[in-house]
Amino acid sequence: EAQVTQNPRYLITVTGKKLTVTCSQNMNHEYMSWYRQDPGLGLRQIYYSMNVEVTDKGDVPEGYKVSRKEKRNFPLILESPSPNQTSLYFCATMRTGYIYEQYFGPGTRLTVT
Amino acid sequence: ILNVEQSPQSLHVQEGDSTNFTCSFPSSNFYALHWYRWETAKSPEALFVMTLNGDEKKKGRISATLNTKEGYSYLYIKGSQPEDSATYLCAFGQRGNQFYFGTGTSLTVIP
Repeated sequence: EAQVTQNPRYLITVTGKKLTVTCSQNMNHEYMSWYRQDPGLGLRQIYYSMNVEVTDKGDVPEGYKVSRKEKRNFPLILESPSPNQTSLYFCATMRTGYIYEQYFGPGTRLTVT
Repeated sequence: ILNVEQSPQSLHVQEGDSTNFTCSFPSSNFYALHWYRWETAKSPEALFVMTLNGDEKKKGRISATLNTKEGYSYLYIKGSQPEDSATYLCAFGQRGNQFYFGTGTSLTVIP
């Protein structure tokens, strides 16, 4: 079954405690991306990756890091989380080469106190 | 910051009514326009990917049109059903594969 998985699904943490949200896909898609969803603001792109070792900043990259060492994984790292990073995070993947749709993971609800 | 606007913000219709929403986006650097359906407590799911000016796509009772020159896309739902209740998102794809989402149109279909 084609899947995009994210872990954890829910996380409550404290300011400054480093965390990683994992994203994994089994569809062999080249493109992977992270978004955050905040009320009234729509989905905003944090980082995206066109392939292994290729990453680019999206609209709101400040306070986040990513890496793409393997095609299937695209972890999102918050080195020093702050309360304004409390949000719902989605990972998405997409085939490239032509125009394709994105497949979204189930989301990770993060609360930073 | 690139602006993608969707209207209306929310909509309540009776079962059986037809309805439509608008997505407005910049007309420069256009690569693709995506429509997604997002149900509460689930993830967004793709409805359509549109690339060419004048494109029309259809899936069952839902269809979409695209005008890249003036920067808008319409999504139509014919004979709305309660199961159509969801938030409908559009995403403007720029060359380079950066995506900008609108804030969505929340549709409630009243039985």
